[in-house]
Amino acid sequence: DAKTTQPNSMESNEEEPVHLPCNHSTISGTDYIHWYRQLPSQGPEYVIHGLTSNVNNRMASLAIAEDRKSSTLILHRATLRDAAVYYCILRDVNNFNKFYFGSGTKLNVKP
Amino acid sequence: DAGITQSPRYKITETGRQVTLMCHQTWSHSYMFWYRQDLGHGLRLIYYSAAADITDKGEVPDGYVVSRSKTENFPLTLESATRSQTSVYFCASSEPLVNRETQYFGPGTRLLVL
Repeated sequence: DAKTTQPNSMESNEEEPVHLPCNHSTISGTDYIHWYRQLPSQGPEYVIHGLTSNVNNRMASLAIAEDRKSSTLILHRATLRDAAVYYCILRDVNNFNKFYFGSGTKLNVKP
Repeated sequence: DAGITQSPRYKITETGRQVTLMCHQTWSHSYMFWYRQDLGHGLRLIYYSAAADITDKGEVPDGYVVSRSKTENFPLTLESATRSQTSVYFCASSEPLVNRETQYFGPGTRLLVL
């Protein structure tokens, strides 16, 4: 199963951009890159996903390296509510029913 | 209420007892999942179900039993609880549309086995 590597923790100031990196050097051509986040004492929630091209939605942007071996989740203006654990997950389109959550990156946002 | 709910939200039990955690979703999603999250770690898949009466093992299925007689319900049973099963359990559901599939998670059940 394809694995991801993320820093254990990161810190940001409120209203500044945050770049959360993820390495997935063993990614296969059929793996989608998903990002979820987990707020304290809650279940994970979907943030964004992509395959090859960069993606934007109302929550964040996803920048995918040309070789797809890494990606970066971008929060354009961090708020205190964005303090959470962010998980980078690879999902195989041929085995999409299984998600493998790593340990994630704990983001701390300072006021 | 629309969405995905879990009950109970908190449960304390003793070693050897049978415990059932309930999960209910109102979207009629085909897929449902059970995960456990141990303190300070990510989620690990226990079991999943592709439809009513279809279930399959995930990463850590030992000690757990699931059933899915109706699309909207996916109970998880610990047949004989052990202390190592103390964890937070999350249920999730999804509709498998390629390139659109996301999982929607419930609020979790915090289980303590004494």
